[in-house]
Amino acid sequence: QVQLVQSGAEVKKPGASVKVSCKASGYTFSTYGISWVRQAPGQGLDWMGYISVYNGNTKYAQKVQGRVSMSTDTSTNTAYMELRSLRSDDTAVYYCARVRMVRGVPNWFDPWGQGTLVTVSS
Amino acid sequence: SYVLTQPPSVSVAPGQTARITCGGDNFGSKSVHWYQQKPGQAPLLVVYDDSDRPSGIPERFSGSNSGNTATLTISRVGAGDEADYYCQVWDGNSEHYVFGTGTKVTVL
Repeated sequence: QVQLVQSGAEVKKPGASVKVSCKASGYTFSTYGISWVRQAPGQGLDWMGYISVYNGNTKYAQKVQGRVSMSTDTSTNTAYMELRSLRSDDTAVYYCARVRMVRGVPNWFDPWGQGTLVTVSS
Repeated sequence: SYVLTQPPSVSVAPGQTARITCGGDNFGSKSVHWYQQKPGQAPLLVVYDDSDRPSGIPERFSGSNSGNTATLTISRVGAGDEADYYCQVWDGNSEHYVFGTGTKVTVL
C-alpha cells in the first residue's frame, strides 16, 4: 500500500538546523510531487512548500523562504526538508504528503506521513 | 495573499447533516480539496476536486463548489466524524497552496 514514513522527533536549540526525512513506498516515486506542511500546537495547517520529484523544481511559502530547502533522493525514494536558523515558533509537527499532479498542476495531498515533532527550545 | 475562510466550529446532533463552508475569491476557477484531522493523527483526504471521494471514504461525505463558496457536507453524522476539517486550494497565480482556517465539528 502507498505510505510515507517520516523520521523521528527532534529537539533543537534556537539557531540550529533540522532535516526531516520522508520515505515513500508503494508507488512510482517520480510520478508525484511531495509537499511539506507544519502544524504548531493547537493551530491549523501551514503549507511550507512543494517539490516535483520528476524535475526537482521547488516552490516555497514566503514565511519560510530563505530558511527552507526541500530535496529528494530517487535512489531511496526519500524526500527531505531542511529548516535552518530555527526559532521557538518553528516548534510544530511537520508532515510530508504525496501530491497528485493533474495536467502538470499540483493538486490534492494523499496520503500524508505520520508527522515529525520538532521542538525548538534553549 | 489568497485567503480561505471557514467557520471555527459546527455543532450537529447525531444522525443529522453537517455543512462546512469555505469561502474564497474566484473559487470557480480552482479545485477545492477537503481533509479530516482527528486529534493526534495526520490529516486524511475526504474530498478532492470539489466533489470526488477517495476510495474508502463513505458516501456520507460529499462536496460542492459554487461561486465563491465550497461546501463539505457530512450526512448522518456520527461520533466518529468529530474532527477538524480543512479546505485547500492551489493558487495558480502565486503557485502556492492555501489551507482554510479549519472547522471543528462537534457531535452533540
